[in-house]
Amino acid sequence: DVKVTQSSRYLVKRTGEKVFLECVQDMDHENMFWYRQDPGLGLRLIYFSYDVKMKEKGDIPEGYSVSREKKERFSLILESASTNQTSMYLCASTQGGAGGGNEQFFGPGTRLTVL
Amino acid sequence: GDSVTQMEGPVTLSEEAFLTINCTYTATGYPSLFWYVQYPGEGLQLLLKATKADDKGSNKGFEATYRKETTSFHLEKGSVQVSDSAVYFCALTQGISNFGNEKLTFGTGTRLTIIP
Repeated sequence: DVKVTQSSRYLVKRTGEKVFLECVQDMDHENMFWYRQDPGLGLRLIYFSYDVKMKEKGDIPEGYSVSREKKERFSLILESASTNQTSMYLCASTQGGAGGGNEQFFGPGTRLTVL
Repeated sequence: GDSVTQMEGPVTLSEEAFLTINCTYTATGYPSLFWYVQYPGEGLQLLLKATKADDKGSNKGFEATYRKETTSFHLEKGSVQVSDSAVYFCALTQGISNFGNEKLTFGTGTRLTIIP
């Protein structure tokens, strides 16, 4: 069974802290994504990676960075957490391939609260 | 840029009612279209998809048809169950697989509640 796991389901941090969210997939997928989910806004793409050490900004990258040192692991970093980064964070992965239309597999999400 | 507009929620229906959740899109080229579902406390999972015009995706009694002429991909189910209560997201990717073209553009989601 395919699987995307995230390091924490719930996380509480203080303003100004550096926060690491980890995501691991066991499907040997090339592409990995970080989204944030907020009520009324749906899911918005923060960053994605299409290969090890490769990354691209999504729609809302400000205040975030990412790291992909190994194919199976994609980390989201909040350099200095702020209250407006309180949200649900979802990681996903997909195998690239001709024609697009590939299913993305999602982790269970990390609900981050910044106080 | 690409965008997806879906029916505002929340939607509340009685068990066995007919369901329609509207979804329209704006995109260049030939996007692939998806419906994802999020059950309480879980991540998203693919419900169905269609990759070209006039294709019909179907799964678990749900179906949606890719209508290029109306740029729509409405989700339907003939008889809903309590277990269908979830948040439903319409989404698209660009049809050409290339660096960056696998990224999903989502609608805002529609919360569906089915009452017995």
